[in-house]
Formats: sequence, C-alpha cells, structure tokens
Amino acid sequence: NAGVMQNPRHLVRRRGQEARLRCSPMKGHSHVYWYRQLPEEGLKFMVYLQKENIIDESGMPKERFSAEFPKEGPSILRIQQVVRGDSAAYFCASRQGQGATEAFFGQGTRLTVV
Amino acid sequence: DAKTTQPPSMDCAEGRAANLPCNHSTISGNEYVYWYRQIHSQGPQYIIHGLKNNETNEMASLIITEDRKSSTLILPHATLRDTAVYYCIVIYNQGGKLIFGQGTELSVKP
Repeated sequence: NAGVMQNPRHLVRRRGQEARLRCSPMKGHSHVYWYRQLPEEGLKFMVYLQKENIIDESGMPKERFSAEFPKEGPSILRIQQVVRGDSAAYFCASRQGQGATEAFFGQGTRLTVV
Repeated sequence: DAKTTQPPSMDCAEGRAANLPCNHSTISGNEYVYWYRQIHSQGPQYIIHGLKNNETNEMASLIITEDRKSSTLILPHATLRDTAVYYCIVIYNQGGKLIFGQGTELSVKP
C-alpha cells in the first residue's frame, strides 16, 4: 500500500508564475489536508478537503491560493502569481475518514520562488 | 491555536528512555491526544494516539493521566535516529484537522 505521494518533490518558479502541487492520498483515504512550513518555522494548516468538497479553508491565504480534490485524480494545491514569500515546504496528509484515525503525511513539495 | 504545551527542547542519552511531556489542560471528553514527529525536514510521521487509556505500539508508549490534562510519550530505548521534533496534538475525533504547536526538539546523544 503506497503512502501519500506528493509531486513534484522540488519545484522552482519565477515570480509571477503559477505553481501546481499534487497530492495522491493513500488508497481508500477520502480526506486530504494541506500544510505549509516556512523555513525554520512550524507546520501551518491550510485547507481540509473531502472528495469534491472543501471542508475547512480557514488557513488558506485569501488571494492567489486555491485547492481542489476532484472525484478522480489527485488533490491539487494551486498558487497563482507566486511571490518570494511563497517559498516553503508544502505537505499533504490523508486520512481514511472521520473518527479516531491517524493522518499520514507525504514527503512534501519544496517550492522555491526566484 | 495549538491546545497543548510542550518543553521546547530535551536531551536524551542513546539507549535510555526518552520521556516527552505534554500539557493539555483544556482537553474535552471527546478529544484525542495524537503524537507525531518530524525528522529534519521530512514529512511528519505518526507515532501513536489515545483517548483515556495508556497505549503502546512498536514505536512508543503513551501515558495519559487520569484527569487527561497531561500525557507523556515514552520512547523506551532512544536511538540517534529518534532525534526529531515531537508534536503533541489534541483533536476532536470527527475528522479534526491537526494543529501543530512548536513541539519538543529531542536530541539523542551518543
């Protein structure tokens, strides 16, 4: 059973470009969470999605950031018009469902904006 | 905001037990205690979780006080590879998001 897969592992974008980060949850997991970790800082919750639904986006910046988890395919975190301050590690976690189940994390995508 | 308090750092000698404390004095009856760790800049790794009873798995033991206001994660025989930041997280059991605090940076020394 493959773990949570994130790609790409490293992404370099110029200021103003778009960044698309992908997350394939573990098999059978229908809940996905995205987190951001700025250099030398802690993990910050961004968004929680179930298939085709955004459940909690309280940690998402109001502009330029969006997330989706379609019925088929991976979850996508999209950052439009990237700025240097978006440089960070972005982690995705998946969970089987509600209840006392553990969430498993991917290895992250390290975004560098130049 | 994180609902837990942990010491910022701890040292442990290799081969000895590492006991990592966590205070969660405002925990409610249907909230679980989860422990994760992050080794260097890797993705966080699940360790263990519990509600009221003590729990043990192949990685660690979790001791929760009777009033549930605090808990201790025990790594019985710490190795150098256990050096990491350890996070204690309290979440509601229905699909709750994990809110990470500052964690405890554990250094295992030879």
